[in-house]
Amino acid sequence: EAGVAQSPRYKIIEKRQSVAFWCNPISGHATLYWYQQILGQGPKLLIQFQNNGVVDDSQLPKDRFSAERLKGVDSTLKIQPAKLEDSAVYLCASSPGVGYTFGSGTRLTVV
Amino acid sequence: GDSVTQMEGPVTLSEEAFLTINCTYTATGYPSLFWYVQYPGEGLQLLLKATKADDKGSNKGFEATYRKETTSFHLEKGSVQVSDSAVYFCALNYGGSQGNLIFGKGTKLSVKP
Repeated sequence: EAGVAQSPRYKIIEKRQSVAFWCNPISGHATLYWYQQILGQGPKLLIQFQNNGVVDDSQLPKDRFSAERLKGVDSTLKIQPAKLEDSAVYLCASSPGVGYTFGSGTRLTVV
Repeated sequence: GDSVTQMEGPVTLSEEAFLTINCTYTATGYPSLFWYVQYPGEGLQLLLKATKADDKGSNKGFEATYRKETTSFHLEKGSVQVSDSAVYFCALNYGGSQGNLIFGKGTKLSVKP
């Protein structure tokens, strides 16, 4: 089966610019996660969706980050405006209910 | 809050050496424990897991035992290969294989021929 697709693979932006990441989960997976992995740290959950509803967004910096999952399939994560400390790898994962499959991530560099 | 602490890396070993990567956790309840591996340029892959005390997870020659008394889940392999070079993450969650995963910082392993 196809894996979790993410794009772009790499993105470099200047601080205060906006950026969006896209995730296409495995077909039929109801649960979708976005994690932030800062260099030298483990991934940290930003938001969890169940179908197109938000289950947990307690660690999402809502003043600058937003995410949506239209029709319970693809998801986008947006940062506006970006700060230097947002430089990280953004990982998407999906699950049919049990188990997780991670995408390869989008590496964001904010300069 | 719940957390995971891993030994600092990087770890450099010669091929066929014995590997131990220490992992301890702090949890308010009874979590499930996981080891994930991240090869260069790839996503995280589940290596093994254990869902209750004294369970042993194993896969590809790697093993880890859920020790409630020492709140530990150390990863071991008897004979590492160059292909095992990767970053290893210890993690916990509540709810088995669903729900938020809490990760350690990761340990980079390099195996030299």
